[in-house]
Amino acid sequence: GIQVEQSPPDLILQEGANSTLRCNFSDSVNNLQWFHQNPWGQLINLFYIPSGTKQNGRLSATTVATERYSLLYISSSQTTDSGVYFCAVPATGANSKLTFGKGITLSVRP
Amino acid sequence: KAGVTQTPRYLIKTRGQQVTLSCSPISGHRSVSWYQQTPGQGLQFLFEYFSETQRNKGNFPGRFSGRQFSNSRSEMNVSTLELGDSALYLCASSLRSPTINSYNEQFFGPGTRLTVL
Repeated sequence: GIQVEQSPPDLILQEGANSTLRCNFSDSVNNLQWFHQNPWGQLINLFYIPSGTKQNGRLSATTVATERYSLLYISSSQTTDSGVYFCAVPATGANSKLTFGKGITLSVRP
Repeated sequence: KAGVTQTPRYLIKTRGQQVTLSCSPISGHRSVSWYQQTPGQGLQFLFEYFSETQRNKGNFPGRFSGRQFSNSRSEMNVSTLELGDSALYLCASSLRSPTINSYNEQFFGPGTRLTVL
């Protein structure tokens, strides 16, 4: 099946800094989602982005499907951005079956 | 629009018991998928239900089962609990396009944290 790798595994930032989180996938995909897992475990939808660039406030995402990667940019980070960030892609022929990366743990220090 | 809801939020069981978890999708969503999250294995797909039928299944033993009702609510059941079943169980709902090559954004509930003692 498709493999999803995220990097770096851990990231520590000072409040106000910018960061780039990367997601590589092993096969072509027709979509990709980025999530933020809050301290209580819920996955919060950030982006639904098969290709191109989307922006939502301080966050933006870019997916280059032909090169099999996606990037999540966080600008002017805040302590509330802390948590685990996951990217997930659907399996070929089984669009509701998401394969997740191992996640990136972000800690933003005040 | 209300989000995906899951009940109960926390559960403690002992080995050998069985457990039933419930998930109510976003209104209008007809697909419900279940995932297990553990520190060692990460997030893994269990199964998906659409129109009361299991459409996709992950690599889990037969002790894990599920069903979906006509109102799209879903339940998953784990029988003969093992210590390794301790995990956060998440369900997700989506509209689910009838076209196999289409993808519908998935929305997750808050999860049920199961502890097996």
